[in-house]
Amino acid sequence: EDQVTQSPEALRLQEGESSSLNCSYTVSGLRGLFWYRQDPGKGPEFLFTLYSAGEEKEKERLKATLTKKESFLHITAPKPEDSATYLCAAGSGGSNYKLTFGKGTLLTVNP
Amino acid sequence: DTGVSQNPRHKITKRGQNVTFRCDPISEHNRLYWYRQTLGQGPEFLTYFQNEAQLEKSRLLSDRFSAERPKGSFSTLEIQRTEQGDSAMYLCASSLWTGNSNEQFFGPGTRLTVL
Repeated sequence: EDQVTQSPEALRLQEGESSSLNCSYTVSGLRGLFWYRQDPGKGPEFLFTLYSAGEEKEKERLKATLTKKESFLHITAPKPEDSATYLCAAGSGGSNYKLTFGKGTLLTVNP
Repeated sequence: DTGVSQNPRHKITKRGQNVTFRCDPISEHNRLYWYRQTLGQGPEFLTYFQNEAQLEKSRLLSDRFSAERPKGSFSTLEIQRTEQGDSAMYLCASSLWTGNSNEQFFGPGTRLTVL
C-alpha cells in the first residue's frame, strides 16, 4: 500500500530562521511528488510537482527537491505569512489517478 | 473567479439525514476528484471522474457514498443516512490530464458536521 510520511509533525521557527521539511514515500510506480500549502479552514493550494530524482523547483522562499525515497521542502528566511500546514502527496496508478497524502507539517513562523 | 468552487461551504445535519455537496471545477479541466479530510490528517482520496466517466470508486467509504458528474461538468457527492463519523471536510479538486502532468487544484471544501 502506498505510504507518505512527513516530518516533523510541527515546526516552530523564528522569522528568518531557515529550515527543511521532510517527506518520505513508499509508492509503487511514482507518477509525481506534489507539495501543497493549506491554511486553516481552506483547501490545499498547489505549490510544486517533481517528477524525477534530482529535480528541484523554487518559488519565492520555498525550494522543493526530490530523491528516490524522499522529498524536501526548504524554507529560506521564512516570514510569518509562511505559517501554514505543508502537505506532501505522491501520485501513483495509471495516469496519476490517485494522490496519497501525508499528514502534513504545521509550520509556525514567529515574528 | 476561475478556481474550483464548492457549495455549500458548511453543512450541519442530523444523524440519519441525506446530504449532497456540489463541486464546480475549473472550466477547461477534464478530471474531477473528491477527497475527505479529517482533523490532523491529509486529504483521503475517494473517487474521480474523467469527463463524465467515474473511473475509480472503490475508495468510496461505504455504499452510503455516491458521486455523479452529469455531462462532465459539475459534480455532486451524496452521503445517505449520515453518521457522526462522516463529520469532516469534503474537498473537490480538478486537473487537466494531458498524459504527463496532473496537478490537481483544490476548492475551498465543504465542512460537514453531523449531530
